[in-house]
Amino acid sequence: SAVISQKPSRDICQRGTSLTIQCQVDSQVTMMFWYRQQPGQSLTLIATANQGSEATYESGFVIDKFPISRPNLTFSTLTVSNMSPEDSSIYLCSGVSGTVYNEQFFGPGTRLTVL
Amino acid sequence: KQEVTQIPAALSVPEGENLVLNCSFTDSAIYNLQWFRQDPGKGLTSLLLIQSSQREQTSGRLNASLDKSSGRSTLYIAASQPGDSATYLCAVRLAFDTGKLIFGQGTTLQVKP
Repeated sequence: SAVISQKPSRDICQRGTSLTIQCQVDSQVTMMFWYRQQPGQSLTLIATANQGSEATYESGFVIDKFPISRPNLTFSTLTVSNMSPEDSSIYLCSGVSGTVYNEQFFGPGTRLTVL
Repeated sequence: KQEVTQIPAALSVPEGENLVLNCSFTDSAIYNLQWFRQDPGKGLTSLLLIQSSQREQTSGRLNASLDKSSGRSTLYIAASQPGDSATYLCAVRLAFDTGKLIFGQGTTLQVKP
């Protein structure tokens, strides 16, 4: 199984600032994703991180607010821009393994609090 | 639109009990279904993955079943332990090429010593 790490693990930010979250996978994955988990809620997909091209965003999420990069098969970043308290959530990176089973693995998450 | 529902939302049992967590989904056209465990403030740990062509998967004290035609999956935990206390999430993957997971709201389990 793939091991996924995220940095930072948590942060407290001021309104109007931006934060970039890094995701590193220890082996090649076919797909990488970014999810958001708002307080007391389940996970919602933000976007699919595409290697070397623009991410594919889900309805309700836009590139200007959540720019994503994926320069290679094992690394991706998510930026939360112009933050407001409503952006306070856990942000999770995930990857789909390249095996026939296509299991999806998640990172430990980044807990973001916006004041 | 695919929707995933988990019942119950919360469950409290004494140690040693066998228990069943339920997951239902509205569209039977899924690629696979995955059960996860989430500890408070932590990420997700994959427990079991069931392909759409499979009926069940087992790992240790965990057994997950899938009835695609009726849109149901169950996670059976045998001989529960306090360390099993966590939130259990089920998620369906719609298609091979998207990889997108649709999550249920989760069942929060507390196992009392």
